[in-house]
Amino acid sequence: EIVLTQSPGTLSLSPGERATLSCRASQSVSRNFFAWYQQKPGQAPRLLIYGASRRATGIPDRFSGSGSGTDFTLTISRLEPEDFALYYCHHYGNSPWTFGQGTKVEVK
Amino acid sequence: QITLEESGPTLVKPTQTLTLTCTFSGFSLSGSGVGVGWIRQPPGKALEWLALIYWNDDKRYSPSLETRLTITKDTSKDQVVLTMTHMDPMDTATYYCTHRIFYDRDGFPSPFDYWGPGTLVTVSS
Repeated sequence: EIVLTQSPGTLSLSPGERATLSCRASQSVSRNFFAWYQQKPGQAPRLLIYGASRRATGIPDRFSGSGSGTDFTLTISRLEPEDFALYYCHHYGNSPWTFGQGTKVEVK
Repeated sequence: QITLEESGPTLVKPTQTLTLTCTFSGFSLSGSGVGVGWIRQPPGKALEWLALIYWNDDKRYSPSLETRLTITKDTSKDQVVLTMTHMDPMDTATYYCTHRIFYDRDGFPSPFDYWGPGTLVTVSS
């Protein structure tokens, strides 16, 4: 099973700032099978990025993904008020499929 | 428009069996490459994938829970059912039903893209 470790646990930033979230895999993951989700309180996760860098339908271009092998990054170029939320990384290659433990982006 | 909705008991007793139903619309589980999965999230904790069933009845389970899980589909009713035996208070979580398809319209591998709103299941005597 691939373990995904996200850092930092919490990111305290102000609106307009740049957010950089990291996810490290315990073994190499094909970038074709790597995704990021956003989750707000009381809501289901929403797919942001898949294939490491492809934005899902309707996702603003301030969200971008990068990385390969064991290290992946989600970048939010300029934080909007609605971007303060939890973010999870996810691999969906061969099962079992796993998620990271999450990074909370909070208002500083 | 793809939608999914979970239904089932909100409270189960320890040792009981949980049965959850996912009713979906906007796609058919007889379509090639389509799958419906279950993912759970204990209060304040991370997401955990549980099981998935594909259009061809191929089933995948989380290794840590495999002995307790069964996933089935009823294509005629557009439903997927998950059963989990021997429920424990540690199984208290919001359970989500999700859609997955092998490849998106561009031919690219696709993850769990549509999610139901989730249903909170509490395990307590």
